Amino acid sequence: GAGVSQSPRYKVAKRGQDVALRCDPISGHVSLFWYQQALGQGPEFLTYFQNEAQLDKSGLPSDRFFAERPEGSVSTLKIQRTQQEDSAVYLCASSPRGPSNQPQHFGDGTRLSIL
Amino acid sequence: DAKTTQPNSMESNEEEPVHLPCNHSTISGTDYIHWYRQLPSQGPEYVIHGLTSNVNNRMASLAIAEDRKSSTLILHRATLRDAAVYYCILRGSNYQLIWGAGTKLIIKP
Repeated sequence: GAGVSQSPRYKVAKRGQDVALRCDPISGHVSLFWYQQALGQGPEFLTYFQNEAQLDKSGLPSDRFFAERPEGSVSTLKIQRTQQEDSAVYLCASSPRGPSNQPQHFGDGTRLSIL
Repeated sequence: DAKTTQPNSMESNEEEPVHLPCNHSTISGTDYIHWYRQLPSQGPEYVIHGLTSNVNNRMASLAIAEDRKSSTLILHRATLRDAAVYYCILRGSNYQLIWGAGTKLIIKP
């Protein structure tokens, strides 16, 4: 079956531009997570959705970062006025139910490079 | 959140068993131990998780110490495709996964 799909796989933007990263979770999955992964490090939590509700955005690094999941399925992570320190791989994960110990299923990420 | 400690890297020969250690001395009674792995240029992949008892699945086994302050992920017969970064993570009631730097596993043919 289809896994978590992220697009684009690679994104290059100039400093100051806005970018939008898309995540298609596994169909029917209630929980959706965004992570940021710097080179050589483990992923860092950004935000969590349960259906369309954004229950936790404590990991978003600044108010330039915004995420939405308006219909409880596809999610978009938007970064405004990008900075060089935003360069990273952005990972999306989903899981079938709400907060639990179920495994998270990850996409292959979007590699964002800010010039 | 309780933290985990893993070696930065390990090497193993192909077709031999691999034991990946993880220390978590501050684990609480309700924390589950999760393992994920990440192959180059891919997203993390769930491997296994457990609470107190040892666990087995098609990918690996998880051996948990009696005091739960350490655990070991066991790959019974490593292949070149098992070369990846392996992350040991404690997960309590919070849905967040707090990731360390993991162990880079190198498999020698």
